[in-house]
Amino acid sequence: QQQVKQSPQSLIVQKGGISIINCAYENTAFDYFPWYQQFPGKGPALLIAIRPDVSEKKEGRFTISFNKSAKQFSLHIMDSQPGDSATYFCAARREDSSYKLIFGSGTRLLVRP
Amino acid sequence: GAGVSQSPSNKVTEKGKDVELRCDPISGHTALYWYRQSLGQGLEFLIYFQGNSAPDKSGLPSDRFSAERTGGSVSTLTIQRTQQEDSAVYLCASSRAANTEAFFGQGTRLTVV
Repeated sequence: QQQVKQSPQSLIVQKGGISIINCAYENTAFDYFPWYQQFPGKGPALLIAIRPDVSEKKEGRFTISFNKSAKQFSLHIMDSQPGDSATYFCAARREDSSYKLIFGSGTRLLVRP
Repeated sequence: GAGVSQSPSNKVTEKGKDVELRCDPISGHTALYWYRQSLGQGLEFLIYFQGNSAPDKSGLPSDRFSAERTGGSVSTLTIQRTQQEDSAVYLCASSRAANTEAFFGQGTRLTVV
């Protein structure tokens, strides 16, 4: 019940295209869902996050869509740029416990010029 | 400092040796986390500190792993009698409070030969 499943493992998108990464979870006690971006040799950095009381959150070119009944959430990157090439991790957190993050396995995104 | 600082950035050790990994969190951050990232994998939770106490150490993989935090600041992760399967990037994160954004350091890449 602690697992967060992420797909695809890797993704290649042309510049200007839309990148879509999906995650699914089992534990209905999760109530905070962040996405992290990680460049090689760097630690993950928070990109955008959502709570289950909203179905969508948009920040610039990045949008999270959240489907509580399906226990799924996704990251959409609009107008993808080569600088977006990185590894993306979804995560989930219970806010009534240690607040530890449970991470998906990551998606390596390559945006071709 | 401006961010979470981890040292060393790289560590190569012989199997059976003990290693210490250090984390300097952002000043004023009360919550501190250690995660492990194996090659091509997501991040795996190890331990959570609130102040100097560790209310959740459920992710430590064996009794060879221990961690402490002193003065509500610096934390040290110690791995005794290192094994090849301990090879990974060890990431530290801190947050102002447990339910706020976690900021990650760049990690320590540990290689056990």
